[in-house]
Amino acid sequence: EVVLTQSPGTLSLSPGERATLSCRASHNIGSFLAWYQQKPGQVPRLLIYAASSRATGIPDRFSGSGSGTDFTLTISRLEPEDFAVYYCQQYSGSPWTFGQGTKVEI
Amino acid sequence: EVQLVESGGGLVQPGESLRLSCAASDFTFSNYWMSWVRQTPGKGLEWVANVKQDGSEKYYVDSVKGRFTISRDNAKNSLYLQMNSLRAEDTAVYYCARVDGASLGGLSHWYFDLWGRGTLVTVSS
Repeated sequence: EVVLTQSPGTLSLSPGERATLSCRASHNIGSFLAWYQQKPGQVPRLLIYAASSRATGIPDRFSGSGSGTDFTLTISRLEPEDFAVYYCQQYSGSPWTFGQGTKVEI
Repeated sequence: EVQLVESGGGLVQPGESLRLSCAASDFTFSNYWMSWVRQTPGKGLEWVANVKQDGSEKYYVDSVKGRFTISRDNAKNSLYLQMNSLRAEDTAVYYCARVDGASLGGLSHWYFDLWGRGTLVTVSS
């Protein structure tokens, strides 16, 4: 099973700042990684798949990078609506697994 | 409106059974793999099971193998999760999720692109 470790657990930033979130895989997963955003009381929303491809309708301030075992989600300039929990998820092999999440807070 | 709506959650005792349903609307349900994903405050998000478009392939996380069964009825645009021998650690919000994919560089990439609002399952005596 591929274990995904996200860091930091919580990121305290202000609107307009840059956010850098990390996701590390226990095994090489190539580019088989997605990122999701979840706001309180809402369901997860797909942001990125294939490590760096933005999903439909996702603003270009969100970008993903990395391959193998180290991945990064970058939010170039935080908007108020970006404060949420972010999860990475791998689909390289079964079982598909999620990271434990990074909370981006004000 | 394109949506997934789960039902069937509730409070059950350890060892009991529950059947979750998910109704799909306004998309061609039979074209997609479908999944169940659960979420707990302590363990976060956990993929539970997948089923292929025609129901011929099913995959499960180890912790539910032999206890849970995923199925679908394409004529009714519905996905199901039969949960038997429930345990306290199965307590979670269960989401129905659509699996979409993209081919990039000859590789298939999969992702959950549509989620239901979830149904809460509580296993407690």
